[in-house]
Amino acid sequence: SQTIHQWPATLVQPVGSPLSLECTVEGTSNPNLYWYRQAAGRGLQLLFYSVGIGQISSEVPQNLSASRPQDRQFILSSKKLLLSDSGFYLCAWSRRRVNQPQHFGDGTRLSIL
Amino acid sequence: KNEVEQSPQNLTAQEGEFITINCSYSVGISALHWLQQHPGGGIVSLFMLSSGKKKHGRLIATINIQEKHSSLHITASHPRDSAVYICAVVIQGAQKLVFGQGTRLTINP
Repeated sequence: SQTIHQWPATLVQPVGSPLSLECTVEGTSNPNLYWYRQAAGRGLQLLFYSVGIGQISSEVPQNLSASRPQDRQFILSSKKLLLSDSGFYLCAWSRRRVNQPQHFGDGTRLSIL
Repeated sequence: KNEVEQSPQNLTAQEGEFITINCSYSVGISALHWLQQHPGGGIVSLFMLSSGKKKHGRLIATINIQEKHSSLHITASHPRDSAVYICAVVIQGAQKLVFGQGTRLTINP
């Protein structure tokens, strides 16, 4: 069966510090991968998605970047965190075929001080 | 105006009541998801549907493509159903989800 791992579960970082959140998927090959953010009191928003190694699409301009160094690894990064980067970050995967359900990780709650 | 609108935003009910959460969207879609988010934040996919009706246990999801509307029903609600329920649509021609704001459901014993 397929599983998705996301870590860390919680993270407290000072403004201006770097960020690296990691997501890995097991039990499937060539998945589509997604990073979402849920800011406090707001709905989920797609940040990045990837259909293959090194292929990243950005949905909103921001202080964050994503990379996919391996088929089942998706990393969310920032060189310098802003207060506005606080939120709940979710990684998800889906099969490549059209209209496949997305499966979510447990999320990372990021607080910027 | 958001592409996906849910109502109500908050819903409190007594155990055993029949619950309905509504979702309207304004764009062409290829599928619609209902998701459940528990207080810890984790999200579980409940349904994905593109037409008609699906049932899983006490949960029923319906969609009317012509009216661009979907409903999630919970029969015989239970306190463990308390969560945020999120409607999300797959935009036609894209593989990404656009989310509603969510409905916070609280079931009191």
